[in-house]
Amino acid sequence: QLQLQESGPGLVKPSETLSLTCAVSGGSISSGDYYLDWIRQSPGKGLEWIGSMYYSGTTYYNPSLKSRVTISVDTSKNQFSLRLNSVTAADTAVYYCARHRVTAIWYFDVWGRGTRVTVSS
Amino acid sequence: QSALTQPASVSGSPGQSITISCTGTSSDVGGYNYVSWYQQHPGKAPKLMIYDVSNRPSGVSNRFSGSKSGNTASLTISGLQAEDEADYYCSSYTSSSTLGFGGGTKLTVL
Repeated sequence: QLQLQESGPGLVKPSETLSLTCAVSGGSISSGDYYLDWIRQSPGKGLEWIGSMYYSGTTYYNPSLKSRVTISVDTSKNQFSLRLNSVTAADTAVYYCARHRVTAIWYFDVWGRGTRVTVSS
Repeated sequence: QSALTQPASVSGSPGQSITISCTGTSSDVGGYNYVSWYQQHPGKAPKLMIYDVSNRPSGVSNRFSGSKSGNTASLTISGLQAEDEADYYCSSYTSSSTLGFGGGTKLTVL
């Protein structure tokens, strides 16, 4: 059974770059069976889709974040990564990675537990 | 501002039925049968409850059902139970090949 685990610094300074990793276990990213997505949830707020990536490199980004976001894949480590540039306090959130199957039009059946990131000096 | 509009809160008594609406546009909810619903308990990751408007994943109670009419999708929970108290989010694929979420609805079981 596929499992996802987010990791990364819990504190990032304003204007710096937020970098997170999503480790995949119980299956190979290179299987091509699914996309991995990043979703965040600001304190007391709703969910916000950040972007999606296929192992081959195809990506989709939320237009509101596109200029600051990069999602990448490392098939040798079986993990995906998120980079968000020029962060502000508004980027403080719990960040989740989740998968949607290639045959599933963007619904997420497996989620990581989430990792909390605070943007503060 | 969320892409999809949900009521901030709904409530119901045990055994009753409630419905949560999710309103979008013809570019998302109305244009595709790709609406999904998630349940989130405090401090937990969201859980998929409904996909493709009205399909339930294996293991999800048949008390949960989904439907759509025009630009509005709905999640109905029948036979309300205390454990159903949670936040519920809808999402929809969009014509821009992106995904939008609703702002979430807090369900209180009285």
